[in-house]
Amino acid sequence: NAGVTQTPKFRVLKTGQSMTLLCAQDMNHEYMYWYRQDPGMGLRLIHYSVGEGTTAKGEVPDGYNVSRLKKQNFLLGLESAAPSQTSVYFCASSYRQGSYGYTFGSGTRLTVV
Amino acid sequence: DQQVKQNSPSLSVQEGRISILNCDYTNSMFDYFLWYKKYPAEGPTFLISISSIKDKNEDGRFTVFLNKSAKHLSLHIVPSQPGDSAVYFCAASDPLSGTYKYIFGTGTRLKVLA
Repeated sequence: NAGVTQTPKFRVLKTGQSMTLLCAQDMNHEYMYWYRQDPGMGLRLIHYSVGEGTTAKGEVPDGYNVSRLKKQNFLLGLESAAPSQTSVYFCASSYRQGSYGYTFGSGTRLTVV
Repeated sequence: DQQVKQNSPSLSVQEGRISILNCDYTNSMFDYFLWYKKYPAEGPTFLISISSIKDKNEDGRFTVFLNKSAKHLSLHIVPSQPGDSAVYFCAASDPLSGTYKYIFGTGTRLKVLA
């Protein structure tokens, strides 16, 4: 099915370890986003990209890095994981702004111990 | 400072009755508002949207109302069904931010009782 695919779906990390979350979309969307969802906090934007080769900081960028080397992929990296980064991470993409909204992936549940 | 607020964390409604989910915002420049529905272990899915130039948009059992003077929008589900039980997020976009991103509320968990 067309859409947004996130890998992995689950991961447990030890404090200080690094990892990369992969997001892939096959809808030829220009814009891609990484959000984290925490209880009582809703969805908060970490980083986003408005096109291949571009990235920008969102609301909560500290401790994360991103890359968009190919239009269809958006990678989220944690260089040195901390327990505060325990969360559910969602990738999303959109064709353009306005009433179309986003298409979300199914999420990655990350636990940092 | 939250620009989009959903002040009710949860709501329970009897099957067949109306569900009303509320959302308040602070930025009068927001131009589009969306509602998303999220089931456990799944990503949010787009439900319905409304432009700031309208005050109502309807799609089947779902209607969104926008009151710009009060900076308030609401989602009405009529009749409510058990399958509507989910977390609902409202979101808003700011065209003057220069970026194509939505700001989300904290969500309201709707439980429809059979």
